[in-house]
Amino acid sequence: QVQLQESGPGLVKPSETLSLTCVVSGYSITSGYYWGWIRQPPGKGLECIGSIYHSGGTSYNPSLKSRVTIFVDTSKNQFSLKLSSVTAADTAVYYCARLAVTTSYYFDSWGHGALVTVSS
Amino acid sequence: SYELTQPPSVSVSPGQTASITCSGDNLGNRFASWYRQKPGQSPVLVIYHDTRRPSGIPERFSGSNSGNAATLTISGTQAMDEADYYCQAWDSSTVVFGGGTKLTVL
Repeated sequence: QVQLQESGPGLVKPSETLSLTCVVSGYSITSGYYWGWIRQPPGKGLECIGSIYHSGGTSYNPSLKSRVTIFVDTSKNQFSLKLSSVTAADTAVYYCARLAVTTSYYFDSWGHGALVTVSS
Repeated sequence: SYELTQPPSVSVSPGQTASITCSGDNLGNRFASWYRQKPGQSPVLVIYHDTRRPSGIPERFSGSNSGNAATLTISGTQAMDEADYYCQAWDSSTVVFGGGTKLTVL
């Protein structure tokens, strides 16, 4: 059974870069599926940040595209998120998840989430 | 950009049927998915491909999608079904979520 675990700093200063990693266990990241990042500000809804395929192909939310990089490390079976020039509005729980892409698209497995606070 | 609209809240009595709608332009031409999120927990997929249930999701959860709206239906609603529910679709290589609906079981 696939499991995903986010890790990274819980506190980031304004204007700096947020970095998170998602370690995947129980499933090889190269066996198929896309892999994505979703965030949820406190008390608010879900927002998809973007996704990546093991070959490196990416898709980003247009509203965040200029600040986002998602990359994959197949040797470690993990993928990572970088979000630059953060502000308080980027404070959120960040989830990594497995994205099924067939005739439809859906996240079928999620990590527990990592709270990242942007504050000086 | 594509938008999905959900009612902020829906209330239902135990044992009754709850319906949560998700509206979007020609949503019926896309596939919709639904997630359940309880407080302090990660979202869980309950419906995908409009009508399909992942293993482990009770049969009382069902979905439909036609025209400009998708609907999540919970038959015989139980207290444990109280949660936030999010619809989701795909547009221009981007995943889009609805704003979420808080289901209250009174």
